[in-house]
Amino acid sequence: ETGVTQTPRHLVMGMTNKKSLKCEQHLGHNAMYWYKQSAKKPLELMFVYNFKEQTENNSVPSRFSPECPNSSHLFLHLHTLQPEDSALYLCASSQENAGGKNTEAFFGQGTRLTVV
Amino acid sequence: GQSLEQPSEVTAVEGAIVQINCTYQTSGFYGLSWYQQHDGGAPTFLSYNALDGLEETGRFSSFLSRSDSYGYLLLQELQMKDSASYFCALNDYKLSFGAGTTVTVRA
Repeated sequence: ETGVTQTPRHLVMGMTNKKSLKCEQHLGHNAMYWYKQSAKKPLELMFVYNFKEQTENNSVPSRFSPECPNSSHLFLHLHTLQPEDSALYLCASSQENAGGKNTEAFFGQGTRLTVV
Repeated sequence: GQSLEQPSEVTAVEGAIVQINCTYQTSGFYGLSWYQQHDGGAPTFLSYNALDGLEETGRFSSFLSRSDSYGYLLLQELQMKDSASYFCALNDYKLSFGAGTTVTVRA
């Protein structure tokens, strides 16, 4: 496997369910991200992890809980979601250099989430 | 915070040239990136400008003017496969994206 892999590709869940999205990167990068993409809206940054430490939580509701056990894996745990949370959730990784610069991000194919 | 503005839609014919403008507001950034996303696909990196000026990558070129808080992506010799959404993004320790421009190429 190469690049950034996300599972599952599609997920339908009820508002009382608990589920997790998984992201794995095989690029040796040290930064990983969760983005939410809703129709006709910009990609919204949710969480940033640099060197496994969470460096940004972009005012995301607590029903979304990230976990980064190592530099290759990133999870997004979901519980008691709302229908408006239905969207494409994209994981990305990049290599942050010593100056904190990231040039190119590599994205997974995303998980299409539908909350019913 | 950071914000980026780009047109929502552009339509052009095969073989034409399209310029997608991106204006931004930020308190600081390292560079401006461009990404392409086909329907149902993942965003993929196209170009990055750290310095003012033009960067050319095949049929695609990108430009940055920090003094004008402005950049653009130039698509030349348009092909049907270029129909996609194009996003500009500000790079600092993360990527902040614009809303995207949907480019439709007609025969």
